[in-house]
Amino acid sequence: DTGVSQNPRHKITKRGQNVTFRCDPISEHNRLYWYRQTLGQGPEFLTYFQNEAQLEKSRLLSDRFSAERPKGSFSTLEIQRTEQGDSAMYLCASSLKGDTGELFFGEGSRLTVL
Amino acid sequence: AQRVTQPEKLLSVFKGAPVELKCNYSYSGSPELFWYVQYSRQRLQLLLRHISRESIKGFTADLNKGETSFHLKKPFAQEEDSAMYYCALKAVRGSTLGRLYFGRGTQLTVWP
Repeated sequence: DTGVSQNPRHKITKRGQNVTFRCDPISEHNRLYWYRQTLGQGPEFLTYFQNEAQLEKSRLLSDRFSAERPKGSFSTLEIQRTEQGDSAMYLCASSLKGDTGELFFGEGSRLTVL
Repeated sequence: AQRVTQPEKLLSVFKGAPVELKCNYSYSGSPELFWYVQYSRQRLQLLLRHISRESIKGFTADLNKGETSFHLKKPFAQEEDSAMYYCALKAVRGSTLGRLYFGRGTQLTVWP
């Protein structure tokens, strides 16, 4: 499968713990996006990278959230000191630089904070 | 501020009936608009975009700037059209060029 891959698919953690999600984009795509989706809502933009540069961050991305894409390939999204409100599906997507309207999404990483 | 509104959370029609999923947007200018679809147990994927002006799987969507709408239509719904549909907007200028703004989605069910 050459699509966007996300790990882990499910994560259950206790409040206050740190969690990290990984995203492997489609290999030739240089843009990578993180979105968050809560129940009954559409995906909400968190941040995106072009190669290794983080070009946009939403105000949803509080200082407890950090995303990296160190070599312009895979990306990680870390949430520190998790809160129950962080429970959501975290979606990763990638795209080609010249076409930022068609995003190719992964299956998502579902986070449950107890 | 950019906003996408999908007024119907759920929509049910019978097979062969016409279907229209509503989408209204708020944006000062001419945005790019898209419909994304998520079939059961599948990933979210692009269905169509307004600049392509094409029909995909029998679906069409016309951008109406006067009404700030981008409704998705199909004249004869099929059972395989049952899915969650999201309308999305992309700014064409400003500091938020990289992101898509999604509506909350409409769950379409097509009954046999």
